[in-house]
Amino acid sequence: KAGVTQTPRYLIKTRGQQVTLSCSPISGHRSVSWYQQTPGQGLQFLFEYFSETQRNKGNFPGRFSGRQFSNSRSEMNVSTLELGDSALYLCASSPGTSGAYNEQFFGPGTRLTVL
Amino acid sequence: GIQVEQSPPDLILQEGANSTLRCNFSDSVNNLQWFHQNPWGQLINLFYIPSGTKQNGRLSATTVATERYSLLYISSSQTTDSGVYFCAAKTGANNLFFGTGTRLTVIP
Repeated sequence: KAGVTQTPRYLIKTRGQQVTLSCSPISGHRSVSWYQQTPGQGLQFLFEYFSETQRNKGNFPGRFSGRQFSNSRSEMNVSTLELGDSALYLCASSPGTSGAYNEQFFGPGTRLTVL
Repeated sequence: GIQVEQSPPDLILQEGANSTLRCNFSDSVNNLQWFHQNPWGQLINLFYIPSGTKQNGRLSATTVATERYSLLYISSSQTTDSGVYFCAAKTGANNLFFGTGTRLTVIP
């Protein structure tokens, strides 16, 4: 079974631009979660999508948004990029149907650099 | 959210030595996972262990949910074990709270 895939793997943007990252979960998984990893803040939860609906949200500004498609693929968007948005963005896939009891599997990440 | 603390923050071992990494969490959990982050940033699943003990080769893990901690044991360490180890826990919602990690360096 194929793992979680994320595209692109690397991205360089300038301040004020916007960016869209993509995640394809493991086949059959309906939950996709997004995390941000920075040296200063560590790994932090952004949001979770399940069956095309945002089910859970972390403490990030509204510039961070996401969506999920009917095939469970998910995108996250960051608008008006700031230098502090430079980070590794990780996507996690889980079955999602048992609520809190699912093991999460992570993709390789997208490394975003904002200049 | 739940607080997750890992210790030690850094660990340097001679190849062949054993080690124990600890993870404390502040509330009852229904999911506890251990990960190894490879040099390219991907989180590799080691254990899904909300309670009890599991073993996988030279690695094993124990979670004592009633006392709110989990331990990861690495035996006969190898240089390829180097990297950052994270534990992560979740409670009611489907999002993981991560510890700050243990950076393990295994020297030959």
